[in-house]
Amino acid sequence: GESVGLHLPTLSVQEGDNSIINCAYSNSASDYFIWYKQESGKGPQFIIDIRSNMDKRQGQRVTVLLNKTVKHLSLQIAATQPGDSAVYFCAESNAGNNRKLIWGLGTSLAVNP
Amino acid sequence: NAGVTQTPKFQVLKTGQSMTLQCAQDMNHEYMSWYRQDPGMGLRLIHYSVGAGITDQGEVPNGYNVSRSTTEDFPLRLLSAAPSQTSVYFCASSPPRGTGANYGYTFGSGTRLTVV
Repeated sequence: GESVGLHLPTLSVQEGDNSIINCAYSNSASDYFIWYKQESGKGPQFIIDIRSNMDKRQGQRVTVLLNKTVKHLSLQIAATQPGDSAVYFCAESNAGNNRKLIWGLGTSLAVNP
Repeated sequence: NAGVTQTPKFQVLKTGQSMTLQCAQDMNHEYMSWYRQDPGMGLRLIHYSVGAGITDQGEVPNGYNVSRSTTEDFPLRLLSAAPSQTSVYFCASSPPRGTGANYGYTFGSGTRLTVV
């Protein structure tokens, strides 16, 4: 069935290093992908999105890469800061599923000072 | 401040009680949805609505009802609370697809529900 999964459930990085969080998806019909950040006790917060007609999109300190050939999505965080410590979720949707999102289980990012 | 407002933030219910979780957004978003979040299970969709007067079931709808009489409000009703409904509930909204805006959801801060 459809699924969005994560390669690493936890990731620990040193402050200042770059972080890469990976996500695999199985539905080749998905045309829209989103990364969310969830801090403890809060709701998920939109970080960045990408449509299937793009391979890369950059935001402030974040870059999302989409490889449709291998159905892989990644979130790169540059110069990781303690405030980046959170759980990161990827999600996918397509026009055919009434815009419902399919969510991954999340990756916990811990930034060590 | 524009956003999604959920009330209450915390609630304890006894088994069999009913209650309504409130959700309101002031961004004129057409799409609204309810999720529950449980440890190790990610976010699971309960119900969603693509506009006023239209609702549909998600992947875990049993034990919950919703209605969408206005664009702004999307309440979630627990008909007869069970311990299995202990969870954190999130409401989310997003703009219409095709408007050029991103379709990223805006989430509320959540309701922590405990059923004893």
